[in-house]
Amino acid sequence: RKEVEQDPGPFNVPEGATVAFNCTYSNSASQSFFWYRQDCRKEPKLLMSVYSSGNEDGRFTAQLNRASQYISLLIRDSKLSDSATYLCVVIPWNNNDMRFGAGTRLTVKP
Amino acid sequence: NAGVTQTPKFQVLKTGQSMTLQCAQDMNHNSMYWYRQDPGMGLRLIYYSASEGTTDKGEVPNGYNVSRLNKREFSLRLESAAPSQTSVYFCASSLGRVNQPQHFGDGTRLSIL
Repeated sequence: RKEVEQDPGPFNVPEGATVAFNCTYSNSASQSFFWYRQDCRKEPKLLMSVYSSGNEDGRFTAQLNRASQYISLLIRDSKLSDSATYLCVVIPWNNNDMRFGAGTRLTVKP
Repeated sequence: NAGVTQTPKFQVLKTGQSMTLQCAQDMNHNSMYWYRQDPGMGLRLIYYSASEGTTDKGEVPNGYNVSRLNKREFSLRLESAAPSQTSVYFCASSLGRVNQPQHFGDGTRLSIL
């Protein structure tokens, strides 16, 4: 089982839709969580950190469920510019290496 | 605002050739990293440098060496390139090693024939 798993998609949604991605992690002793965004043939860029209480940044909401070992990303009112691959990142307690999921691809269509 | 700069952006090598990928950051970050990204897989850590003067192996170090030349620069060397090392290589840096998000360079696309 991979340490961090994501549905690869693709998720194809119309503009204005709400879409949600989940990411599961296997190491229960994980301490930090992030969502990164990666455009085609570009570098990953930090989208947002994920806090235990959940957090929101504009149209984006991230949540953490430690009991079930998953994090989620909700995008409201999708824009064409949201089309990208979204990478889930987990940092375990027992080391400080970032563990990346393979990413979920989102395409927002007019 | 250069951030993390990688050179070259593209490279084609023949099996057995050697080369060094360069990375420099201007954010005064302490920690630097080298990853490879392959289709269908997440980024995998090759080597990292928690601070100037230290380097450690990551998840997939075989076939690579690194040098933390100074606080700004962290290079990755392939001594004898193999086709399995065809990949996109990303350098990243962070302020520290614990709970700090990483900032990435724009990648080096390396093909080994």
